[in-house]
Amino acid sequence: AQSVTQPDIHITVSEGASLELRCNYSYGATPYLFWYVQSPGQGLQLLLKYFSGDTLVQGIKGFEAEFKRSQSSFNLRKPSVHWSDAAEYFCAVALNAGNNRKLIWGLGTSLAVNP
Amino acid sequence: NAGVTQTPKFRILKIGQSMTLQCTQDMNHNYMYWYRQDPGMGLKLIYYSVGAGITDKGEVPNGYNVSRSTTEDFPLRLELAAPSQTSVYFCASSYSQGLAYEQYFGPGTRLTVT
Repeated sequence: AQSVTQPDIHITVSEGASLELRCNYSYGATPYLFWYVQSPGQGLQLLLKYFSGDTLVQGIKGFEAEFKRSQSSFNLRKPSVHWSDAAEYFCAVALNAGNNRKLIWGLGTSLAVNP
Repeated sequence: NAGVTQTPKFRILKIGQSMTLQCTQDMNHNYMYWYRQDPGMGLKLIYYSVGAGITDKGEVPNGYNVSRSTTEDFPLRLELAAPSQTSVYFCASSYSQGLAYEQYFGPGTRLTVT
């Protein structure tokens, strides 16, 4: 069955430090992959997406993610974290079978940023 | 361009009461979704719709009902509210063509059942 795993429930980094959030997926076909961010009390906002082509994708707010098929991973990175990046981050994979376009979601990683 | 809007933002219900959570999108998306979010549990799909007049169950449909009479609106109905329905509810929508699978989310409705 398709699944998405975010191994880290909670991560704390210092402001200015680099960040990597892990995402592993289980899906037989070519995956469509997404990272979303949820600030406290807000809805989810799309950070970036991967469908095909270049395996390093750039997103908003200075984030990037790299698709590695051999490792079934789609890790999110940022070279220098800002205090405003404190939020919940969700990885998702699209079920492109059929026409319902449902997403399978990871459980999220909560990011705290120390000043 | 408002995107996806949800009302109300907050609501407290007593056990056994009913209510409708409203969701409207102005992006002419055919696909719409209702999720609930509980702490540490990620997003659970309640119902979804692939177009006006067409709805289907997600992972956790029990206790909920939906309708889709127009492209824009996708209300979620709670009948006989139970404490287990205390959650944050998100509505989302997406395009129905090409590779645009990403979903656009509303701000959420925080529901407490006591």
